Amino acid sequence: GAVVSQHPSWVICKSGTSVKIECRSLDFQATTMFWYRQFPKQSLMLMATSNEGSKATYEQGVEKDKFLINHASLTLSTLTVTSAHPEDSSFYICSAPRGRAQETQYFGPGTRLLVL
Amino acid sequence: ILNVEQSPQSLHVQEGDSTNFTCSFPSSNFYALHWYRWETAKSPEALFVMTLNGDEKKKGRISATLNTKEGYSYLYIKGSQPEDSATYLCAFPYGGATNKLIFGTGTLLAVQP
Repeated sequence: GAVVSQHPSWVICKSGTSVKIECRSLDFQATTMFWYRQFPKQSLMLMATSNEGSKATYEQGVEKDKFLINHASLTLSTLTVTSAHPEDSSFYICSAPRGRAQETQYFGPGTRLLVL
Repeated sequence: ILNVEQSPQSLHVQEGDSTNFTCSFPSSNFYALHWYRWETAKSPEALFVMTLNGDEKKKGRISATLNTKEGYSYLYIKGSQPEDSATYLCAFPYGGATNKLIFGTGTLLAVQP
């Protein structure tokens, strides 16, 4: 069964609104989670690393004020796309490492965002 | 700039055919190479994490090999079945962190019954 859930699975919103996406580890604790974005015909691109109890670290070119990340508990990370615009329309997916060496990533099913 | 490339982009085979595809990655500063299988509307599922040059890993009809010196990995599927239809992704850790991954664009496999 799924070990990482993501909600919502899809969302349509008007330009200028904010959208919150939740990522939960279901049966394990995750001090670190990752947020990726995928545009059509492109690969998954890492946006940021979500750290429980501390600030997220963002990849180059990703605006931290645009994509707010909160990792308030060991099982939940949220990504808020603030003042969304059509160019933010994309597929957002989270992952959490698990296992003794933390090598294996478990992914959520993703969230399709469409900004009108 | 680190680049992970996969080929072919897509593949159509008949049920029972065996197939393989390639992942190319930077050969310097190698740490590991990940393979994932991603079915439509589902979560990507980890297949293999490969770390040793010359390593071969197997999971049922799927196997993978690794050449870290020349920077490539092959994924093989023996006797493809319709349920093998998915996108197969490879990923390479970067930035000194084992969990930050650069992904290839994937190989989309369609197996016709």
